[in-house]
This record gives sequence, C-alpha cells and structure tokens, in this order.
Amino acid sequence: EIVLTQSPGTLSLSPGERATLSCRASQSVSSTYVAWYQHKPGHSPRLLISGGSSRAPGVPDRFSGSGSETDFTLTISRLEPEDFAVYYCHQYDSSLQTFGQGTKVEI
Amino acid sequence: QVQLVQSGTEVKKPGASVKVSCKASGYTFSTYTIHWVRQAPGQGLEWMGWINAGNGHTKYSQKFQGRVTFTTDTSATTVYMDLSRLTSEDTAVYYCGRSLYPNRGFDYWGQGTLVSVSS
Repeated sequence: EIVLTQSPGTLSLSPGERATLSCRASQSVSSTYVAWYQHKPGHSPRLLISGGSSRAPGVPDRFSGSGSETDFTLTISRLEPEDFAVYYCHQYDSSLQTFGQGTKVEI
Repeated sequence: QVQLVQSGTEVKKPGASVKVSCKASGYTFSTYTIHWVRQAPGQGLEWMGWINAGNGHTKYSQKFQGRVTFTTDTSATTVYMDLSRLTSEDTAVYYCGRSLYPNRGFDYWGQGTLVSVSS
C-alpha cells in the first residue's frame, strides 16, 4: 500500500497569504494519478485538482497542483476566507488507493 | 444535475451488519465507478474500495476484504455498501463518490451517512 504523508499537519495563515501544502508518497506515483480535495466540517469533500495539476470545473485559479514521483504540492496563491478547511491528497495510481491524513489550513 | 443521495443515519450494535445506499441521478449510471470512503471521528479520509456501477466489478481495500460487499442495482441506479461484523471502530461517516474510471479523481460525492456502533 502506498502511504501518503501530508505536511504540515496544521497551517496557520491569514487571508491573502500563500499556502503551500505538501504530500509525500512512500513510493513513486505517476502525477497523472494524484488528486487534491477540500473538506469542510459538515460537508462532503470537494475535488480541486486531478491528474496532478488539472483544476476541476469551477475551481478558482488560485488553486494549483504540481509535483512528481514522490513529492506533490497544492498551492493556494492568495487565501480567501472560504479556503480555510482540511485538504487531502489522494493517489489512484495503485489498485489500492489511499489518502493522506490531511492538512488543516486555519486562520 | 449530478446527484448522489445516500441513505440516513444508522445505529447498530457490535457484531451487526449495516447496508448503506447511494442513489445516483443526472448522468448515465452504468458508465461510472462508485467508490466508498469513510471518515471516523477526528480522523482523515479512508478509501474502502470501488464498484463498477454497470457490470458490478469490485475492488476492496485489504483492510475491509471479507467484511465489506458492494453491489449495484442498475434499474434503481443505486449502489449499496454492506459492512458486517461491526465494531466501535467502524463508527464513521461513510461517503460514496463518483469517478469516470476506477483510477480517476472523485468528482461528485454523496452527502455522507453516519454509522454509529455502540452497545
């Protein structure tokens, strides 16, 4: 099973700042098979990025995904108040898919 | 519009089974894969497996192999998740999520179903 380790666990930032979230895989993953989700309490997860860097329909361009092999990054260029949430990376390269443990972005 | 609507809250005793449904609408049901993902209290997302909604092919996480069964009813455009031999560790919100193929991101999600296991 591919283990995804996200860091930091919590990111304390202010609106307007840049957020950089890391996701490290225990073995190489094709960037084609990496996604990022936003999850707010009481809501369902929301797909932000798939294929490593492709924004889902309706996702603002302040969200971007990058990376390769074992290191992947979600960047939020300028935080808006609605961006404070938990973010998960997800790999579907392996037939046994896995999620990272999440990064909480808080004010 | 695409919707995945899940069944309601379940309260179960340890050792029992639970069946959660995920009814799809707004798209061609049989051409998509449905995944099941759960979130225990205070924990992250955990992938449980997937089912091809059209032909019923399945893939389960090793953690749940032998204890979980996914089924599909194409006439009702509904997928079911059956989890047996419940323990308190299975208390969680269970989500269904849709992907075009098994190896794609999940673009639509159900609203979640709380399963509470307590004696």
